[in-house]
Amino acid sequence: DSGVTQTPKHLITATGQRVTLRCSPRSGDLSVYWYQQSLDQGLQFLIQYYNGEERAKGNILERFSAQQFPDLHSELNLSSLELGDSALYFCASSPGGAGLYEQYFGPGTRLTVT
Amino acid sequence: QQQVKQSPQSLIVQKGGISIINCAYENTAFDYFPWYQQFPGKGPALLIAIRPDVSEKKEGRFTISFNKSAKQFSLHIMDSQPGDSATYFCAAGGATNKLIFGTGTLLAVQP
Repeated sequence: DSGVTQTPKHLITATGQRVTLRCSPRSGDLSVYWYQQSLDQGLQFLIQYYNGEERAKGNILERFSAQQFPDLHSELNLSSLELGDSALYFCASSPGGAGLYEQYFGPGTRLTVT
Repeated sequence: QQQVKQSPQSLIVQKGGISIINCAYENTAFDYFPWYQQFPGKGPALLIAIRPDVSEKKEGRFTISFNKSAKQFSLHIMDSQPGDSATYFCAAGGATNKLIFGTGTLLAVQP
């Protein structure tokens, strides 16, 4: 158990809908990262937040957005869902700051868009 | 320049054998190279990581070998066990803290 929690575990929704995925980092970690894992794209970095502020951005679609709250939990919002958005979404956390790279992954949320 | 190339795609090893997975990168700004192990239905778990100031790091049966000049690094699993059967991902990271992952290697250890 990495100490990172994600909810829900599974999510089934229809095209065009909007969903919110939630992540709670390990105790003491200030950085949260979101990754998408699909069969054809592998593990892709989406976005990083550090202590409430966006720190790095990857291949995140404009239909997707994220935020980190004062209690350090993070939410990933996916809107106007398409069939191709079906994937595993992972959250990872790390202590953050310079030189602290160890990232610990949560169990993931499996999103199915029908 | 952001890619991390991983091989082989899949690997079958006999119990007690050595499993070797290789990765190569291009971006010399990378300075952190972790390996993750992922079981079906689970999140990737950090296995072992290395920084470029050392050429080898060993933790139990897992060893990372790092060749800075060739921009390559590899994972060796000694005395491979059926419980090691999983997908292994190499990754590379730098100052931005985001990790670039390899495409994964599906390891099957036969009893």
